[in-house]
Parts: sequence; C-alpha cells; structure tokens
Amino acid sequence: QKEVEQDPGPLSVPEGAIVSLNCTYSNSAFQYFMWYRQYSRKGPELLMYTYSSGNKEDGRFTAQVDKSSKYISLFIRDSQPSDSATYLCAMAKLSNFGNEKLTFGTGTRLTIIP
Amino acid sequence: DTEVTQTPKHLVMGMTNKKSLKCEQHMGHRAMYWYKQKAKKPPELMFVYSYEKLSINESVPSRFSPECPNSSLLNLHLHALQPEDSALYLCASSQISGETQYFGPGTRLLVL
Repeated sequence: QKEVEQDPGPLSVPEGAIVSLNCTYSNSAFQYFMWYRQYSRKGPELLMYTYSSGNKEDGRFTAQVDKSSKYISLFIRDSQPSDSATYLCAMAKLSNFGNEKLTFGTGTRLTIIP
Repeated sequence: DTEVTQTPKHLVMGMTNKKSLKCEQHMGHRAMYWYKQKAKKPPELMFVYSYEKLSINESVPSRFSPECPNSSLLNLHLHALQPEDSALYLCASSQISGETQYFGPGTRLLVL
C-alpha cells in the first residue's frame, strides 16, 4: 500500500463548477500537508500549506485536513480554464532534524471546460 | 519573492557529454533540493543540501554529481548519462525545516 493515495483522474468539469480533489494517507506521522499545482512542462507551484485539521481558505481555494480519517482535500470554487493543471498533494512528517522528505501523491489531472 | 530560477530550460546531450544544471534562490533558504520527474509521475527526490552540505542522497547513480557552492546556488553535474535519464529536473528550496518547498521551473533534459 502506498503511503499517499491520490485519484489520478483525469477529471473534467465545466467552468464555474466546484472542484474537489482528494488524497488519503496511511502514515499518522504526517503532520504537514501541501497542495501543489503543476502546469504542463512547468515546475510545481505551492498553492496551499497547512499543518492542522480543519479548513484553510485562500481566495477560491480551500484546503481541508481531517487527521482522524487521514484524508485531505482541495476545493476550487468558481473554477476557471486557467485552473486546468495537474494537482499534487504532498505530505511531510514532524521532525527535529529538518529537511523533511516530501511524500507526493501521484497527481490529479484537471481540465476545466469553457 | 518566492522565486527559484533554473538554467538552462532545455538541454539535449549525448551519452558521452558532460553538462551542468544550475539553480539559484534568493529567499535566504538554507535547504536546497534536486528532484527528477518523469512524465505523469510525481517528483522523486535525488539530493538534499542543508547549510551547503549534502545531507541526503537517495541512492542516485554517480553519473549525477551535485554541488552547492554557496547558500544561494545549487548545481547538478551530469556525465555519461543514459537515455532513461531523460526527464524534467527540478530544483527546490526551503527553510531548514523543509516541509514547505518552493520549486523552480525545471530543466527538461533529453539524453540521446
């Protein structure tokens, strides 16, 4: 079993829809949770970062973490064609040593249809 | 400014060539990383530098040789690569705790 599972999609939704992207994980040592957006042939761009259960909102994006269920989500409201990209969840463990290795999901390819 | 820059953007090299990839950040981060990403796969960690010293080597073949000349620069020296080494090579940087990493745009490498 992989430490982080993410539905690879592809996922296609009409413009303006609410998008829900999800990851589950098996290792309770993960304490930091990130969502990256990656456009084709570009580097990943950090979208959201959180370390506590609950919701964190930034504009049209909301990151949700449920540590009891080992489940994280990214919601995109009023989706735009420019949101079409691959979304990667990433997680890191709490460590006193620093330089945490990120464990990535496989990525979900999202297309917003105008 | 959360920018990490990488040069070159594209690189084509033969299996006998020697080339270098360069990465630069000016965010004051003291941890820098090299990742390799194949198509439709997540990034795979190769090396981590902390305070300009190599702290993690994920069993990468010796044909990849990292170097950190100072706290802002990271190089990856390439020699005698194989066609299967063709990939997007990503540099990232972070505070020393490492959990929030900022990526550069990558160098797309093709080995012929």
